[in-house]
Amino acid sequence: DTGVSQDPRHKITKRGQNVTFRCDPISEHNRLYWYRQTLGQGPEFLTYFQNEAQLEKSRLLSDRFSAERPKGSFSTLEIQRTEQGDSAMYLCASSLADSGRPSSYEQYFGPGTRLTVT
Amino acid sequence: GEDVEQSLFLSVREGDSSVINCTYTDSSSTYLYWYKQEPGAGLQLLTYIFSNMDMKQDQRLTVLLNKKDKHLSLRIADTQTGDSAIYFCAESSGGYNKLIFGAGTRLAVHP
Repeated sequence: DTGVSQDPRHKITKRGQNVTFRCDPISEHNRLYWYRQTLGQGPEFLTYFQNEAQLEKSRLLSDRFSAERPKGSFSTLEIQRTEQGDSAMYLCASSLADSGRPSSYEQYFGPGTRLTVT
Repeated sequence: GEDVEQSLFLSVREGDSSVINCTYTDSSSTYLYWYKQEPGAGLQLLTYIFSNMDMKQDQRLTVLLNKKDKHLSLRIADTQTGDSAIYFCAESSGGYNKLIFGAGTRLAVHP
C-alpha cells in the first residue's frame, strides 16, 4: 500500500491556460474526494466519487472545473481557462466504503498539487 | 449551516501537554477528526472519534468530545518539537462522509 499519490506536485501556469491534475487513490478504495486548500485555510470539499460515479459537486466547482474517474480507479481534475483565484493546493483523498468496517470512515489524503496561476 | 472553528495559534514548551480546541455546528456529524499538516505536505490522519463516544485515547493523543456543547479537543501529552505543525479539526457531513474542516491551529513547540 503506497498511499494516495498525486501528479504533478507543482504546476505553474499562465492565466487562461487549461491544467489537469491526476490522483491515484489507495488500491481497493472505492471512494475518492477532491478538496481545495488556500493559504491559511482548511481544505474545502469540491467533489466526490463512489467508484466511477460522481455523486456530489460543491457549488465551489464552477463550470470551468471538471472531474472524472473513468474506471473507478484514478481520477483527473481539469481546470479550463485558469484564473488567478484558482491558485491553491488541490488535495485528493480516498476511503473504503464498507459499512461493516469502522475503518471505512478513515479518509487518507495525498500530498497535493500546488497550482500557481500567473 | 456547517461550520468548524478553531483557535489559530498555540505555543507550548517541549515536554508539556498541548490542548487544541474546536467547535462545530452540525449535530448530525457521525465522526469527528483530527488531521496534522506539516509544511508543504498533505494531511495526515491522526485520530477520529465516533459521535456517541466521549473520549478516545491513542498513545500520546487523547480526544474529548462534548456533544451537547459541540466541542472537540485534542490533547497531546509530552509534546515534542516534531509535533510542530498545523492541526485541523473536521466534521463528517452527509452520507458520503465529506469532511468540513476548520481553519487549523498552528502548534509551535519551543525548548
